[in-house]
Amino acid sequence: KNEVEQSPQNLTAQEGEFITINCSYSVGISALHWLQQHPGGGIVSLFMLSSGKKKHGRLIATINIQEKHSSLHITASHPRDSAVYICAVRGGGADGLTFGKGTHLIIQP
Amino acid sequence: EPEVTQTPSHQVTQMGQEVILRCVPISNHLYFYWYRQILGQKVEFLVSFYNNEISEKSEIFDDQFSVERPDGSNFTLKIRSTKLEDSAMYFCASSGWNEKLFFGSGTQLSVL
Repeated sequence: KNEVEQSPQNLTAQEGEFITINCSYSVGISALHWLQQHPGGGIVSLFMLSSGKKKHGRLIATINIQEKHSSLHITASHPRDSAVYICAVRGGGADGLTFGKGTHLIIQP
Repeated sequence: EPEVTQTPSHQVTQMGQEVILRCVPISNHLYFYWYRQILGQKVEFLVSFYNNEISEKSEIFDDQFSVERPDGSNFTLKIRSTKLEDSAMYFCASSGWNEKLFFGSGTQLSVL
């Protein structure tokens, strides 16, 4: 069974700061997802990646398969980025995702 | 952007009652999922569905749970006899092959 650990659990930063959220997992995977959950509860998928790096706007996600580690970066952070960011992995042959506990991010103006 | 639609947004029921949570996945998607999130806890996988059958289920998905895709557009989760511990936010999700997931906005189930 995969264990997914995220750090930090909570992060408060000032607007404009560069943000990094980390995710590590214990067993080899076929894909890793970064998700965003807003206070109302809705979940939005940001990235799905199995190798390398992806970029979308101010968001960048990287994964190192050998080290079983992924990072989500936010450049020029903004208060609207305040949300819970969740890492979730899919193991080889499995359908369902295993989720981390999430990182609660607050960006102050 | 296409959306996954879930109804109702809130459901309150008495312990022991049956509930059906409904989802309309994105129309050309092939893979369908139910997840749940108990208040303050992480999201948990319940079941995946592909080609009109369950492809994987978790330990949570016991005999009290069932899923159906009755008409090619709806995807339902039925809980036969609800328990207090079934109170949670239930999320439906869908995806194409090897694509990111699209989640519905969730159904908040409260069992009294």
